[in-house]
Amino acid sequence: NAGVTQTPKFRILKIGQSMTLQCAQDMNHNYMYWYRQDPGMGLKLIYYSVGAGITDKGEVPNGYNVSRSTTEDFPLRLELAAPSQTSVYFCASSSSTGLDQPQHFGDGTRLSIL
Amino acid sequence: GQQVMQIPQYQHVQEGEDFTTYCNSSTTLSNIQWYKQRPGGHPVFLIQLVKSGEVKKQKRLTFQFGEAKKNSSLHITATQTTDVGTYFCAGRWGNAGNMLTFGGGTRLMVKP
Repeated sequence: NAGVTQTPKFRILKIGQSMTLQCAQDMNHNYMYWYRQDPGMGLKLIYYSVGAGITDKGEVPNGYNVSRSTTEDFPLRLELAAPSQTSVYFCASSSSTGLDQPQHFGDGTRLSIL
Repeated sequence: GQQVMQIPQYQHVQEGEDFTTYCNSSTTLSNIQWYKQRPGGHPVFLIQLVKSGEVKKQKRLTFQFGEAKKNSSLHITATQTTDVGTYFCAGRWGNAGNMLTFGGGTRLMVKP
């Protein structure tokens, strides 16, 4: 099993550009999450999903959009990139069999907006 | 919103010394999880605490959950250079579904 796979690993964007960060998991997990981690800081939840077709906002959703058309994929869309969105983005997934499941993280996407 | 405060932010220790990081919530948690993130890596799950006063051990790591389920600690005995990284606690409250709120993390640096 590959676990949680994120692409791309690195990206540089110009202000105002848009892009989609890809996330896929092969563990048949219903729950998926997007976090951002600014340098030296903890993880902040952007969006999460409890299953295909269901998404909800986390702590810092402004400037982002998500979709969940399949169990496996949970892409994060940045529209009109701003320097404040420079960060490392982590996708995670967890099983829905009980609420106390650990989250499995991808390797992250390091995004710089210049 | 609900927050988890984690201290200290940084800790430098000599190899062989002990290390402790603390997490606090102003309200009662349902459970707390601990993760480790190596430099340049992603968070990796270490353990989960659910019961009031729970203590769990993993080799040199000891995890505690307070009696009131508002605080938790991670203690490493006799640190090694392989312990380097940032340790995060992540709390869940009863009204938050499966969402976790991460603390700011404690970055551990070990001098050989």
